[in-house]
Amino acid sequence: DTGVSQDPRHKITKRGQNVTFRCDPISEHNRLYWYRQTLGQGPEFLTYFQNEAQLEKSRLLSDRFSAERPKGSFSTLEIQRTEQGDSAMYLCASSSLQENSPLHFGNGTRLTVT
Amino acid sequence: KQEVTQIPAALSVPEGENLVLNCSFTDSAIYNLQWFRQDPGKGLTSLLLIQSSQREQTSGRLNASLDKSSGRSTLYIAASQPGDSATYLCAVRMDTGRRALTFGSGTRLQVQP
Repeated sequence: DTGVSQDPRHKITKRGQNVTFRCDPISEHNRLYWYRQTLGQGPEFLTYFQNEAQLEKSRLLSDRFSAERPKGSFSTLEIQRTEQGDSAMYLCASSSLQENSPLHFGNGTRLTVT
Repeated sequence: KQEVTQIPAALSVPEGENLVLNCSFTDSAIYNLQWFRQDPGKGLTSLLLIQSSQREQTSGRLNASLDKSSGRSTLYIAASQPGDSATYLCAVRMDTGRRALTFGSGTRLQVQP
């Protein structure tokens, strides 16, 4: 069990550019989540996958955000036309299908939009 | 819309002290409540999960209680240690059909040696 892996750890981009983050969950975990966290705040839910199906999306996930999990393993989160307000830590978590199984979080990708 | 509040925002205690962290939520129709720990620059680690039908859960020196009707939960840490220094977050899940968690802003705990 190598844990949830996120890449890159840090990303600095200019406003208007597109960015893509990757999350590799724990291998046997079917559920995968994306959250966003700003400084001094708790994480905010963005979206949830069960295998390759995207089953929940927050209203926070505007048209500029898209997430995929094409083969039910790793996931990508893309932000198009980044804005300064997108600067945050983007956290990925995974869990098994067992009800009430704990979420395992990665260390996140910190995005800075200049 | 569910809102989760954690008080205090920060807490500093000497090593060995017992302490209580508070979490309140506005909509009592929750499915479960979870407590997490977050170290600086890292992801979250799950500590305890309490189902809506339960009153408390214990793990080692940690005890979490839930009073669903009053919209409150507490995390009790016994005999605090410097290694307990971290931010503690509570989160609620609303129903079985949705998996999204709503988090509080956390309590930043510093245990002084």
